Amino acid sequence: AQKVTQAQTEISVVEKEDVTLDCVYETRDTTYYLFWYKQPPSGELVFLIRRNSFDEQNEISGRYSWNFQKSTSSFNFTITASQVVDSAVYFCALSEALEDTGRRALTFGSGTRLQVQP
Amino acid sequence: KAGVTQTPRYLIKTRGQQVTLSCSPISGHRSVSWYQQTPGQGLQFLFEYFSETQRNKGNFPGRFSGRQFSNSRSEMNVSTLELGDSALYLCASSREQGARSNEQFFGPGTRLTVL
Repeated sequence: AQKVTQAQTEISVVEKEDVTLDCVYETRDTTYYLFWYKQPPSGELVFLIRRNSFDEQNEISGRYSWNFQKSTSSFNFTITASQVVDSAVYFCALSEALEDTGRRALTFGSGTRLQVQP
Repeated sequence: KAGVTQTPRYLIKTRGQQVTLSCSPISGHRSVSWYQQTPGQGLQFLFEYFSETQRNKGNFPGRFSGRQFSNSRSEMNVSTLELGDSALYLCASSREQGARSNEQFFGPGTRLTVL
């Protein structure tokens, strides 16, 4: 079965520090998609990035960067020069195939709560 | 462009009652998925609707059901509520079916409390 593990339950950093959120996944699919979502206190999940299994290029978007390594089944997320507004719960998710219909649904990790102190 | 809207935002029910939650997807999106978020189980997929048909279903009992209307709006219903149904119910829309390639846009959720 597909699985997503975010071993870090909670991380606390001081503003301007860099922080990396870990994500390890398990899947038997050769084609799959990985996602990161941010959930601020308001509760709404905000899409950050999507990466497919055939594209291992790292991506940078402003202060955010993602490191995808198929060899270690990891899709880690780094925030550079963190800010208080980055405080939220971050979820890593995997798009899996469903056995009966072959369709896909999202499997989420348990989330990492990031607290950025001023 | 308006985002995904969910109503109501908060709901309090008692055990044994039934509840209906509503979700309006982003205009032009035809796929609506529902997720349950609890502290213990995290985020879990409930079901997905596309073109008024349920296309995927997660591992939830039959008390959880849903439907989609011709305008892509979706409702989910939980009958015979249990204490463990207390959760944040999130709706997500995407342009096409499935989460394979299209990012899903989430609504703010409905927080259901069962007393």
